[in-house]
Amino acid sequence: KAGVTQTPRYLIKTRGQQVTLSCSPISGHRSVSWYQQTPGQGLQFLFEYFSETQRNKGNFPGRFSGRQFSNSRSEMNVSTLELGDSALYLCASSLESAAQYFGPGTRLTVL
Amino acid sequence: QKEVEQNSGPLSVPEGAIASLNCTYSDRVSQSFFWYRQYSGKSPELIMSIYSNGDKEDGRFTAQLNKASQYVSLLIRDSQPSDSATYLCAVNVEDSNYQLIWGAGTKLIIKP
Repeated sequence: KAGVTQTPRYLIKTRGQQVTLSCSPISGHRSVSWYQQTPGQGLQFLFEYFSETQRNKGNFPGRFSGRQFSNSRSEMNVSTLELGDSALYLCASSLESAAQYFGPGTRLTVL
Repeated sequence: QKEVEQNSGPLSVPEGAIASLNCTYSDRVSQSFFWYRQYSGKSPELIMSIYSNGDKEDGRFTAQLNKASQYVSLLIRDSQPSDSATYLCAVNVEDSNYQLIWGAGTKLIIKP
């Protein structure tokens, strides 16, 4: 099976802009989770989608949003970018309550 | 607040020795436990899953689970320099919509 794919892999934006990141899960996986990771930090949970519904949400401001499509592909959007949003954004897919499998991540740099 | 605790390290282990990584969790209804390895700049990679008390072995890796003590560990035998990475512990909590709760990770350094 193909693994989790994320696009784009690298992105450079300026403050105030918005960005959309995409994630295609492993075939058959209905759960997609998003994480933010900054250098030297652990995984910060953003949100999880299951069957097109947001099932869990972390403690991030409303500028961070996401959605999931009927084919389980997911997107996350960050509006009004801030310098502190520079990070590696990771997407992971799973069967319900099972292990998560990560994509390669999107490295976002905000200038 | 459901928590997963790991020693941040770094844990330094000589090549060929056994590396022991520990993780404690706060929620008694946790059912599934996972160990991930993350190399610098890369995404986490699943290396072990364990669901019941006792030991589970896979090659050089052994996961140990003790639900009564709310403790899960990962042993790496015959440690190699390529095992140098950050190891993340994750716990699945059924009464939180199956959300995975993550530890902050332990940085492991294998010295040649």
